[in-house]
Amino acid sequence: DAGVTQSPTHLIKTRGQQVTLRCSPKSGHDTVSWYQQALGQGPQFIFQYYEEEERQRGNFPDRFSGHQFPNYSSELNVNALLLGDSALYLCASSLAGRNTGELFFGEGSRLTVL
Amino acid sequence: AQSVSQHNHHVILSEAASLELGCNYSYGGTVNLFWYVQYPGQHLQLLLKYFSGDPLVKGIKGFEAEFIKSKFSFNLRKPSVQWSDTAEYFCAVNEGDNDMRFGAGTRLTVKP
Repeated sequence: DAGVTQSPTHLIKTRGQQVTLRCSPKSGHDTVSWYQQALGQGPQFIFQYYEEEERQRGNFPDRFSGHQFPNYSSELNVNALLLGDSALYLCASSLAGRNTGELFFGEGSRLTVL
Repeated sequence: AQSVSQHNHHVILSEAASLELGCNYSYGGTVNLFWYVQYPGQHLQLLLKYFSGDPLVKGIKGFEAEFIKSKFSFNLRKPSVQWSDTAEYFCAVNEGDNDMRFGAGTRLTVKP
């Protein structure tokens, strides 16, 4: 049973560039959430996708956007990168309607912006 | 505003010592409560969770947590820590399927 997989694991970008991160949810899950974890901080909620639509959004600017595909996989896009976007980006999957809130996390994509 | 507070940033213990990590939250409604653990080089994984019922919940590896509604707290405990418990511990809260909010984390170092 495959867990949550993310790619790439590490990447380096420069300010102003754009980045796309990818996530495949755990088998059987239909909901994907994205989190940003800065060094020394807890994960911060970016947004959640369900049925190919953004269902909830945290306090992140419009430079952060996403997409969910029919196979439930998801992408996180960040435009006009800033130095402060350097962080570990975590994808978490869950099954909607269970009302348990339990999330299964991937190992993350570590983004460095120079 | 909804928030989760973890009181200890870094805790250092010797093996066999008892552990208690504090967590307080500020949510108005019915909440689900979680403790996640992140071992060095690994992904976040669920340690234990509380949805309803007995406020004392037991998780993996001998961990337990107690939900005290009147204090908005969900503290994590373990009677006797091991070197392998060295990790970062995150308290998290959500309401139903709403977004999960995490505390800043507590880094636990267990000395052999």
